[in-house]
Amino acid sequence: DVVMTQSPLSLPVTLGQPASISCRSSQSLVFSDGNTYLNWFQQRPGQSPRRLIYQVSNRDSGVPDRFSGSGSGTDFTLKISRVEAEDVGVYYCMQGTHWPWTFGQGTKVEIK
Amino acid sequence: EVQLVESGGGLVQPGGSLRISCAASGFTVWNNYLTWVRQPPGKGLEWVSLIYSAGSTYYAESVKGRFTISRDNSKNTVYLQMNSLRSEDTAVYYCARDKGGERSGWYYWGQGTLVTVSS
Repeated sequence: DVVMTQSPLSLPVTLGQPASISCRSSQSLVFSDGNTYLNWFQQRPGQSPRRLIYQVSNRDSGVPDRFSGSGSGTDFTLKISRVEAEDVGVYYCMQGTHWPWTFGQGTKVEIK
Repeated sequence: EVQLVESGGGLVQPGGSLRISCAASGFTVWNNYLTWVRQPPGKGLEWVSLIYSAGSTYYAESVKGRFTISRDNSKNTVYLQMNSLRSEDTAVYYCARDKGGERSGWYYWGQGTLVTVSS
């Protein structure tokens, strides 16, 4: 199985400051169709997961533009340009290129 | 509006069985692919099983041979039959559906149902 490694696992941030989460895969996530199936999910406390970004950099409807995704091959990043209180939660990367789909361990974002 | 509502979770003894359900509305299960993802208490997410519109099914190695995913088109519901349950199966089980293709993760999620395996 493809191993997804996130860092850091805990990310204390100051309100209004940027935050960045790294996700590395044990294999390239470029699929035979040329697309890269790296997706990001947010899970707020007590809630179900919510997809934020799909295929590396496509933001879902309703997701604030302070969230952005980038990367290629095996290295990916989720950035929050200015952290707000509602961004507290755990963020997961997930790959859909190689069977079975796998998640990263999660990065807990909290306010300092 | 797409909605997924899980039910059927509860406490079961090790070695026991349980069937959980995912009632869908706003779309038909027969022409969509649906998946189960679980989350042990305080831990991360793990993909468990999926059923394609054509009816083919797939399972994580950790549950293969013990869990069975199925659907009832007349009830617009997907099920997960869990047999030979182990303590490590204790988790919140989420039903989820894609938007934008099967490889782009899952956009629609239910609220989850808690399965606790304990004596």
